[in-house]
Amino acid sequence: GENVEQHPSTLSVQEGDSAVIKCTYSDSASNYFPWYKQELGKGPQLIIDIRSNVGEKKDQRIAVTLNKTAKHFSLHITETQPEDSAVYFCAAEGAQKLVFGQGTRLTINP
Amino acid sequence: EAEVAQSPRYKITEKSQAVAFWCDPISGHATLYWYRQILGQGPELLVQFQDESVVDDSQLPKDRFSAERLKGVDSTLKIQPAELGDSAMYLCASSLAGGFPNTGELFFGEGSRLTVL
Repeated sequence: GENVEQHPSTLSVQEGDSAVIKCTYSDSASNYFPWYKQELGKGPQLIIDIRSNVGEKKDQRIAVTLNKTAKHFSLHITETQPEDSAVYFCAAEGAQKLVFGQGTRLTINP
Repeated sequence: EAEVAQSPRYKITEKSQAVAFWCDPISGHATLYWYRQILGQGPELLVQFQDESVVDDSQLPKDRFSAERLKGVDSTLKIQPAELGDSAMYLCASSLAGGFPNTGELFFGEGSRLTVL
């Protein structure tokens, strides 16, 4: 089955700087890659997703890139703000089953 | 804004006791998921329903866990008997897409945190 590895497990950046979180997946048949943000005491919420026929997708300060050959994808957050502090999860879907990474705790320092 | 409702938010129980969690998905969402999230890890799928039918329960420990969605709307996840290793957050999610061609956006509830003593 699919296996998703996510790095780093924790990330601390200064407010206004950029943050990058990376994930690798094992199943070359996976074709859907969402990113979820989980704030304290809440369930995960979708922030951006990308399908395998696209290499990059942007939504304001958030972007996701996908390298199918290398089987890795990344989340990029620019101009970070205090409200970006949360746990971020990548996921990969193959055979209609979504597998999550272990999560990255992002802290934005003022 | 429509939300996925879960209860209870917190549950403390002793091992060998029975526990149950309830989930009410967003109206009109045919697909319902139960995930388990151990502290510091990502959500892991326990069971997926399409309407009232189980689509995937391959990771559900069926000797002690059961799940039902009798009328294809709300759902109950039960653990009997609870073990120490069951301590986790139990998340319910729903989606419109139904898994084809992709899962699509999952809408999660706030979760039920279980502590087994």
